[in-house]
Amino acid sequence: EAQVTQNPRYLITVTGKKLTVTCSQNMNHEYMSWYRQDPGLGLRQIYYSMNVEVTDKGDVPEGYKVSRKEKRNFPLILESPSPNQTSLYFCASSLGGASDGYTFGSGTRLTVV
Amino acid sequence: AQSVAQPEDQVNVAEGNPLTVKCTYSVSGNPYLFWYVQYPNRGLQFLLKYITGDNLVKGSYGFEAEFNKSQTSFHLKKPSALVSDSALYFCAVRDWRAAGNKLTFGGGTRVLVKP
Repeated sequence: EAQVTQNPRYLITVTGKKLTVTCSQNMNHEYMSWYRQDPGLGLRQIYYSMNVEVTDKGDVPEGYKVSRKEKRNFPLILESPSPNQTSLYFCASSLGGASDGYTFGSGTRLTVV
Repeated sequence: AQSVAQPEDQVNVAEGNPLTVKCTYSVSGNPYLFWYVQYPNRGLQFLLKYITGDNLVKGSYGFEAEFNKSQTSFHLKKPSALVSDSALYFCAVRDWRAAGNKLTFGGGTRVLVKP
């Protein structure tokens, strides 16, 4: 089944403790992206990757890092999480064409205390 | 810059009645427009998209949307709503010239269909 897989689904952590949210897709998609979803703000892009070893900042990149060493994986790293990073995170992938939509993962609900 | 507005935080409709979820957009070039639906504890699912051609686009689950260039709108519609249509709906736009292939999303509209 074609899908984007995120782990974990739920995570509670403490301020300052480094964490990684994994994302993997099995569709050979070129493009991958991370979004965060907050009430009333919709989805805002954190980082994206057009291909292996090519990443760039989205609208809200502060406090996050990403890497794209393999085509299928695009982990999101929070080096020193803070409470304002408490959110619902989605990984998405697409073929990369302008008319292509995204396939989304099921989401990761992160709480930083 | 590209942006999307969904003016209603919530839409309430009785089952069997028509459902409309409003969306307006702003892009400097030609828009590519999308609708997604999010059910509780799930990721976003693609409903339909407008790229070019016929202004009326048909999608999944009986939904359709009408592209109106003069009003810069892309409203989502369903002739007869079901209780199972209760969910969070997102409109998204991409300017075909935008760098990074980014989709910009609206704030979302919660739809509640009452039996």
